[in-house]
Amino acid sequence: DTGVSQNPRHKITKRGQNVTFRCDPISEHNRLYWYRQTLGQGPEFLTYFQNEAQLEKSRLLSDRFSAERPKGSFSTLEIQRTEQGDSAMYLCASSSPVVGLGKETQYFGPGTRLLVL
Amino acid sequence: AQKVTQAQTEISVVEKEDVTLDCVYETRDTTYYLFWYKQPPSGELVFLIRRNSFDEQNEISGRYSWNFQKSTSSFNFTITASQVVDSAVYFCALAPWGGNNRKLIWGLGTSLAVNP
Repeated sequence: DTGVSQNPRHKITKRGQNVTFRCDPISEHNRLYWYRQTLGQGPEFLTYFQNEAQLEKSRLLSDRFSAERPKGSFSTLEIQRTEQGDSAMYLCASSSPVVGLGKETQYFGPGTRLLVL
Repeated sequence: AQKVTQAQTEISVVEKEDVTLDCVYETRDTTYYLFWYKQPPSGELVFLIRRNSFDEQNEISGRYSWNFQKSTSSFNFTITASQVVDSAVYFCALAPWGGNNRKLIWGLGTSLAVNP
């Protein structure tokens, strides 16, 4: 399977605990994105990497959230001191710059569903 | 400001009916991309189509067709002869062109139920 993969698929944790999610992008893609989606809403952008550089962070990403992509391949998203409001689906996407007119497309993984009790 | 509006929250049709999902967008950019994604109950977002702002040709792919009208800032999606497997939430999204800003701006989605 050469698509975007995310682990774990589901995570249940108690408030105050730390959690870490992993995303493995499509192998030739150098851009990686994290989004958060709550029930009945569209995804909300969290952050974006080009290779190992984090180029943009949303204001939604509080200081309890940190994302890394140390070798420009897989990425991790960590949430410290989780709160019930962090319960959501966390989606990862990857893309590759394409020479030409507007051909870049983000491909999504299956998501990690987080429930904070 | 950039915004995507999908005014239809839920649509229910009977199998074999045609259905159109509306998408209206706002942007000050002169060049941009528009997308449709499908999110079935499993949760994974599946890419359906990308359209560039300077390409107003409509597109057909099997039972799916898209009508892009820059004059009305709309990018509507029609499913012909709907099937139960089309049941999903469909999202329209907008992305700027160029620079380092790559985030997608999403609508709230339209939940489509196709009943047998």
